[in-house]
Amino acid sequence: NAGVTQTPKFRILKIGQSMTLQCTQDMNHNYMYWYRQDPGMGLKLIYYSVGAGITDKGEVPNGYNVSRSTTEDFPLRLELAAPSQTSVYFCASSYHPYLSGTSGSYEQYFGPGTRLTVT
Amino acid sequence: QKEVEQNSGPLSVPEGAIASLNCTYSDRGSQSFFWYRQYSGKSPELIMFIYSNGDKEDGRFTAQLNKASQYVSLLIRDSQPSDSATYLCAVRGINDYKLSFGAGTTVTVRA
Repeated sequence: NAGVTQTPKFRILKIGQSMTLQCTQDMNHNYMYWYRQDPGMGLKLIYYSVGAGITDKGEVPNGYNVSRSTTEDFPLRLELAAPSQTSVYFCASSYHPYLSGTSGSYEQYFGPGTRLTVT
Repeated sequence: QKEVEQNSGPLSVPEGAIASLNCTYSDRGSQSFFWYRQYSGKSPELIMFIYSNGDKEDGRFTAQLNKASQYVSLLIRDSQPSDSATYLCAVRGINDYKLSFGAGTTVTVRA
C-alpha cells in the first residue's frame, strides 16, 4: 500500500491564481482530513470528510473548497490564492467503524505534504 | 475550539537523558490524547496514544495522563539523536473524530 499520497510536493502560485491539491489514500479509510501547518504552529484543520459525498468545515475553511466523490480521493481547491495561504498542507485519513464511539486510537495517517508559496 | 498548549522549546537534552514534554488542554470533556513526532520537513507520525488516567509505556516512550489536572505528558527515556524532532500533542473530545493540535515542542538531543 502507498498509504496517503499528495501531489504536488511543491508549488508557487501568484496572487489570484487557483489550484487543486490532490490527495489519495489506498487504505479504504472512510475519514479524510486537510490540515495546514504554518511555521512554528500546530496543525489547523481546514476541511474533513466522513465518507464519499460528505464534507464539513474545520477550523480554517475560508478560501478553500473540497469534494469527496470517491472513498480514495479528497482534493482541496484554492480559489483566488492569497499570501496568507502560504503554508504546508497535509492530507490525512483514518478509519472509524460506524457506531463504535470515539474511544480507541483511530490513528490518522498523514501524507507527505505540499509546500505552497503564494507571491 | 479546544485549546491545546505546549511549551515550544527548544528542549535540549544530552544523549541518554530523559526528555520530558508537557501538554495542557482546555476542554475537560476531552477523551483521547495523542503524541505525534514530526521530523523537519516531514509529516507527523503517531508514536503514542492514551485515554485512561495513569501511565502508558511503549519502549522508551511513556505517556502520562491526568484528566483532573487536564494535562498529558510524554517522557522519552535514554534519548537518542534520532529523537531530535518536534513533538505534537493532539486531543480529541467526546463524540468527536477531529483532533486539536498543539503548536509542538522541539526536542534536540545533543551527543
